[in-house]
Amino acid sequence: GAVVSQHPSWVICKSGTSVKIECRSLDFQATTMFWYRQFPKQSLMLMATSNEGSKATYEQGVEKDKFLINHASLTLSTLTVTSAHPEDSSFYICSSFWTGLYGYTFGSGTRLTVV
Amino acid sequence: SQQGEEDPQALSIQEGENATMNCSYKTSINNLQWYRQNSGRGLVHLILIRSNEREKHSGRLRVTLDTSKKSSSLLITASRAADTASYFCATVQGSSNTGKLIFGQGTTLQVKP
Repeated sequence: GAVVSQHPSWVICKSGTSVKIECRSLDFQATTMFWYRQFPKQSLMLMATSNEGSKATYEQGVEKDKFLINHASLTLSTLTVTSAHPEDSSFYICSSFWTGLYGYTFGSGTRLTVV
Repeated sequence: SQQGEEDPQALSIQEGENATMNCSYKTSINNLQWYRQNSGRGLVHLILIRSNEREKHSGRLRVTLDTSKKSSSLLITASRAADTASYFCATVQGSSNTGKLIFGQGTTLQVKP
């Protein structure tokens, strides 16, 4: 149980375009979704926390106008990278808390490459 | 923000040897978790140790927790080539039910066949 389905798994886009990443909770209600970014050979850095029906809370240094997060339902949260640039190329992973044994479940990640 | 440090940053061993990774954290915790990440992939939960536990085992994994030193270690015994991956510790900031999971910097483990 507690599966988070993340799509797409990889995407290549042109500089200046926007990309949307989706995370769906398949068998539980994801009240809260966490979004992480991971650069090569680095750890996961928390970008923002989204709660269903309210505005996301962004970590210090993360541009909220660039990384738009929508959490309109208990099963879907989206991250849109607007006007993407090569420096936005990274691995993006979502995570949600669930009341299971470990507490957190993760999407499989999205590799974004901006050319 | 990162919760803490992990060392070593990189570790290379021969198959069959043991691998030990350490993690330090900064704030009080309810539990500490260890995750594995194969290159370019998602995270796999390995083990969770609660703040009132000092040691926990799961198969070839042994985790210790020293809350007085705010540190934890992960030991992988009899390593295999398939254990090659990055390993991260993570702790929760805020409520244990909805708090943010913050990751350490990670240790990259290479197990040579």
